[in-house]
Amino acid sequence: NAGVTQTPKFQVLKTGQSMTLQCAQDMNHNSMYWYRQDPGMGLRLIYYSASEGTTDKGEVPNGYNVSRLNKREFSLRLESAAPSQTSVYFCASSEALSNQPQHFGDGTRLSIL
Amino acid sequence: EDQVTQSPEALRLQEGESSSLNCSYTVSGLRGLFWYRQDPGKGPEFLFTLYSAGEEKEKERLKATLTKKESFLHITAPKPEDSATYLCAVQGPGSARQLTFGSGTQLTVLP
Repeated sequence: NAGVTQTPKFQVLKTGQSMTLQCAQDMNHNSMYWYRQDPGMGLRLIYYSASEGTTDKGEVPNGYNVSRLNKREFSLRLESAAPSQTSVYFCASSEALSNQPQHFGDGTRLSIL
Repeated sequence: EDQVTQSPEALRLQEGESSSLNCSYTVSGLRGLFWYRQDPGKGPEFLFTLYSAGEEKEKERLKATLTKKESFLHITAPKPEDSATYLCAVQGPGSARQLTFGSGTQLTVLP
């Protein structure tokens, strides 16, 4: 059971470079999310997609864009990476937005020099 | 603004020594409180959802309880494999229905 799959697992970028983090889920979930996790802080929501065709900003959206490619896939793009975006990024999915547990991938560890 | 505070930040137990982790929350209209376990280098793994005060859920050595202001994760006779960071999150009303996470309790169980 794959669940939520994220690629790549690790990435090092230089300031100003761009990249896209990929996420796919095989649980037929409607809602998908992107979080970042920084030391000493809780997981913070960057963007979410309630259902295929919709995306909305979360708590910390600045510097990021997202695309809900289809029901399974939700990508996160950094257009011009900054050192402050060094973090671990997690993708999650749930059956619906409300009252449902979110299931997480194993993360992408991103370092920006 | 929803807030979640977990305590202690870190806890070291001997194998078999039972204890509790605390999650205090502030949210107007709780939709759900979620407990997760996170191992190093992995994503959070879902454990429990609690919806209303007085509710309890159990899974093996773990038992989660909920009041109107806090939740406890009780660990009975822990084993070394229970070592992990335990995260608490709340979901309030509103269109986003987003989760607000605490910073976690890092549990170490010594053999």
